[in-house]
Amino acid sequence: GQNIDQPTEMTATEGAIVQINCTYQTSGFNGLFWYQQHAGEAPTFLSYNVLDGLEEKGRFSSFLSRSKGYSYLLLKELQMKDSASYLCAVRDLYAGKSTFGDGTTLTVKP
Amino acid sequence: DVKVTQSSRYLVKRTGEKVFLECVQDMDHENMFWYRQDPGLGLRLIYFSYDVKMKEKGDIPEGYSVSREKKERFSLILESASTNQTSMYLCASSSTDTDTQYFGPGTRLTVL
Repeated sequence: GQNIDQPTEMTATEGAIVQINCTYQTSGFNGLFWYQQHAGEAPTFLSYNVLDGLEEKGRFSSFLSRSKGYSYLLLKELQMKDSASYLCAVRDLYAGKSTFGDGTTLTVKP
Repeated sequence: DVKVTQSSRYLVKRTGEKVFLECVQDMDHENMFWYRQDPGLGLRLIYFSYDVKMKEKGDIPEGYSVSREKKERFSLILESASTNQTSMYLCASSSTDTDTQYFGPGTRLTVL
């Protein structure tokens, strides 16, 4: 099975940088997703990592260390619209599904 | 753009009623999923399907069943709705190549 841990809540200031961590313990790993979910809306895909290292996509970057079972999502130049829940999800090795963490609710303050 | 649609955004049903939630995707994805999302509990997988007429139980299948007669459509059935099934239900689809999931807008179901 999969066990995924993320902080429940984080608060940051507009214009700042925030790092959201995700640790996982898994019986089969085939990559890690990050999704963003605004309140009352559906999750949307942000990033995918399968190899160790940093993937940058505009203001958002995602990092993976497979040996440590660790990932983080880095958000730069925070904007108010970045206030949302961020879900870490581990892609199953054998089945076409992913296991989601409970999500980190990020609040961006002026 | 991938589009996943769900039959209703809001639904109110009574205890004991049979409830059908429908999901349609237009990207020819092989995989389809049903989740429920409750505050503090995250996304929990109810059932998924990796092909027509195929289904697999997720983490919380009790009280639910599913049907996938066509590739684009995945239905969630509550045989006899109960108040503890009041929740947000999210459908998603993905291709086998990437497993990136695309979600529908969700159905907020209230069972009275």
